[in-house]
Amino acid sequence: GNSVTQMEGPVTLSEEAFLTINCTYTATGYPSLFWYVQYPGEGLQLLLKATKADDKGSNKGFEATYRKETTSFHLEKGSVQVSDSAVYFCALSVPSNTGNQFYFGTGTSLTVIP
Amino acid sequence: DTAVSQTPKYLVTQMGNDKSIKCEQNLGHDTMYWYKQDSKKFLKIMFSYNNKELIINETVPNRFSPKSPDKAHLNLHINSLELGDSAVYFCASSYRRTWARNEAFFGQGTRLTVV
Repeated sequence: GNSVTQMEGPVTLSEEAFLTINCTYTATGYPSLFWYVQYPGEGLQLLLKATKADDKGSNKGFEATYRKETTSFHLEKGSVQVSDSAVYFCALSVPSNTGNQFYFGTGTSLTVIP
Repeated sequence: DTAVSQTPKYLVTQMGNDKSIKCEQNLGHDTMYWYKQDSKKFLKIMFSYNNKELIINETVPNRFSPKSPDKAHLNLHINSLELGDSAVYFCASSYRRTWARNEAFFGQGTRLTVV
């Protein structure tokens, strides 16, 4: 089956610290991988994506590399800011004849303190 | 221009009432979804529609009934609301594609509180 496992939170970091949120997946076929971010009171927004092995997605200083050999898609940022405080979701999608199906991890809450 | 819009944003209602949440997307997507997010932020798929046809109907009480009048709209009607239905409900949409532009877009959510 298809599933996503991500690091449990909450995670608390000081401003300018290095961030890693681990994500591993199991999937049939060739999934696309995503990181979504949810700011308080808002919906999920796409942060970055990768659609095939060894692709690196990047946005706003965040990066994640699609590692097929380790079935992982870890999220990293070199220097976090207070404004990065949010809940981060790792997800995969699997195409089918009846539409893409998305599978989400449980979310990791990040708080960045000044 | 809001890509996926849901109404209302907040909904407070009494147990036993019937309520509806509306969702519209202007992205031309062919697949729409309803998700329920609980207080621990866990996202659970409820329904998935592709070209107005129901594709996924997870283990959801039959008090929940989705309706898709066309590809751009997916509404959620809930009968006989219970306290446990309190949650944030998200509508989302996507293209049915393997790699390009295949991400899901989410609405801002509807926070339902049953009292």
